[in-house]
This record gives sequence, C-alpha cells and structure tokens, in this order.
Amino acid sequence: AQKVTQAQTEISVVEKEDVTLDCVYETRDTTYYLFWYKQPPSGELVFLIRRNSFDEQNEISGRYSWNFQKSTSSFNFTITASQVVDSAVYFCALSDGNQGGKLIFGQGTELSVKP
Amino acid sequence: NAGVTQTPKFQVLKTGQSMTLQCAQDMNHEYMSWYRQDPGMGLRLIHYSVGAGITDQGEVPNGYNVSRSTTEDFPLRLLSAAPSQTSVYFCASSYSSGLASYEQYFGPGTRLTVT
Repeated sequence: AQKVTQAQTEISVVEKEDVTLDCVYETRDTTYYLFWYKQPPSGELVFLIRRNSFDEQNEISGRYSWNFQKSTSSFNFTITASQVVDSAVYFCALSDGNQGGKLIFGQGTELSVKP
Repeated sequence: NAGVTQTPKFQVLKTGQSMTLQCAQDMNHEYMSWYRQDPGMGLRLIHYSVGAGITDQGEVPNGYNVSRSTTEDFPLRLLSAAPSQTSVYFCASSYSSGLASYEQYFGPGTRLTVT
C-alpha cells in the first residue's frame, strides 16, 4: 500500500532561519513520482516540484531545495533563509507510474515564519 | 486559460439534502480527480477519472457519485449529505505522457458545511 508520512505537524521559525520539512513515503512500485505542494493561508494549492523515482539528483530553485533519497524513502524539502511569505501548509504527495489521477498526500506540515 | 474552475465556493446544506459540486477544466487534461481536505488529514482522494466515460473510486468514495461525460467536466454529487461530509473539496486535473505522471492542477476549492 502507498503511504506518505509528514511527521512534523507544525514548525515555527524566525525569519532568515533555514528549515527542513520531512517526507517519508512507502510504495511497492519501482516507478513513482513525488511532489510537493504549498497551501498558503488563502487556501489554494500551489505546485512546487515533481520528481520521478529514477532521478535522485537534488534540486535547487532559489531558496528552495529538495533532497531525494531512495535508500531511506525520503523526499525532504529545505527552505533557506525563510521569509514570512513562506508561512503556509506544505504537502508531500506520491503517485505511482501510470496513476496520473491519483495522488496520495501526507498530512501536511504547517510552517509559521515569524518576523 | 481559466485552468480548473469549481462552483460554488461556499455551500451550506442540511442533513439529507443532495447537491452537485461542479468542476471544469479547459486544458484538455485526461485525468481529473476529487479530493477532500480535513484538518490534520491532508487531502484524500474521493473519485478520479482517466478519461471521458471512465471513473474509479479513491480512498473515501462512500456517499459520493461522479460521472464524466466530457473531457472538460467532472461533477461530484452528494447523494444525501451528512455532517461527516463537512469539508473543503478540491477538484484537480492532470495529463500524462506515456507512463509518466505529471503534476495536478487544482481548483480553488469548495467549502461545504452540512448541518
């Protein structure tokens, strides 16, 4: 069975601190995709990144970076020099190779960045 | 492009009433899905569709019906509303290429309260 676990329910940091959001997944498939979404207080879901199971390269996009490790079934998300605008709920999600309409979400981590 | 649109944005129902949540996309995506979001539980898949005329159940399908007569539309019907269906409902669409699974585009959500 597929499962995504985000053990950190809430994280609070002060602006300019670095923060890492953890994501651990379970799947029996060899081909799968991992995603991160951001849900700001306004409520919409914003796509951040997609990673397939065959690409373990880390990804950096501005202050955001992602560390994918198949050996530990983890896909962690780091925000460097956090800003107040980063305050949101962040979701990690999993999709099997040919299951484009089905995402399994983690419970979400609520990040609060204080000035 | 309007992307994924949902109507209504807010709805209050009495127990036992029925209603349809509307979802439409103008991106010609083959996959469409419905999720519900409850506090502390992330998003859970209700029903999904891999193309017109094809639907399947997700994790929490009980009490909901769907149909997909066109590529663009994917309405969600609540047969007899119950307080346990109080939630925020998100519709999403995505595309695929071969066996690759791509990110889902989400609508703005419908906040449903059942009293």
